[in-house]
Amino acid sequence: DVVMTQTPPSLSVAIGQSVSISCKSSQSLVYSDGKTYLHWLLQSSGRSPKRLIYQVSNLDSGVPDRFSGTGSQKDFTLKISRVEAKDLGVYYCAQTTHFPLTFGSGTKLEIK
Amino acid sequence: EVQLVESGGGLVQPGRSLKLSCAASGFTFSNYGMHWIRQAPTKGLEWVASISPSGGSTYYRDSVKGRFTISRDNAKSTLYLQMDSLRSEDTATYYCARWDNYAYYFDYWGQGVMVTVSS
Repeated sequence: DVVMTQTPPSLSVAIGQSVSISCKSSQSLVYSDGKTYLHWLLQSSGRSPKRLIYQVSNLDSGVPDRFSGTGSQKDFTLKISRVEAKDLGVYYCAQTTHFPLTFGSGTKLEIK
Repeated sequence: EVQLVESGGGLVQPGRSLKLSCAASGFTFSNYGMHWIRQAPTKGLEWVASISPSGGSTYYRDSVKGRFTISRDNAKSTLYLQMDSLRSEDTATYYCARWDNYAYYFDYWGQGVMVTVSS
């Protein structure tokens, strides 16, 4: 199975600051079609996960451009600029290149 | 509006069975692959099983192979997860999720249903 290592496990930031979350995979996430199926999701407290970014860097509809995703092969980063209170929750990376589909262990974002 | 509503969860003894349902609406169900993903209490997300739009192809994580069966009824726009020989480690909130054929990941999730396996 592809192991997704996400760091840090938690972050505490002030409103307006920027944060980065790292996600590293145990295998390359480049599929045979040349695309990289690494995605980011946010789970707010008590709610189901919702999509944020797909295929490394593509923002889902309605996601503000304060969010950005970068990376390639096995090393990926989610950056949130100018953090707002509504950004709190647990962020997960997920890979859908290889079966079984796997998720990172999550990064809990708290607001100071 | 896309909606996915899970049902069928509850408390069950180890070794017993339970069947989850996920009622879909707001889209053409038969055009989309579907997944079950679970989350144990205070833990992260774990993919469980997938099914193709027609139902002809299914995939499972190793720990549930031979015990869980994913299926669908496209006429009823409903996804199912038959869970047999349940173990304590199957205790989790189970989410159904729709597969985005373009982005190649889960674009809509249900609200989740809790399954507790305990004597």
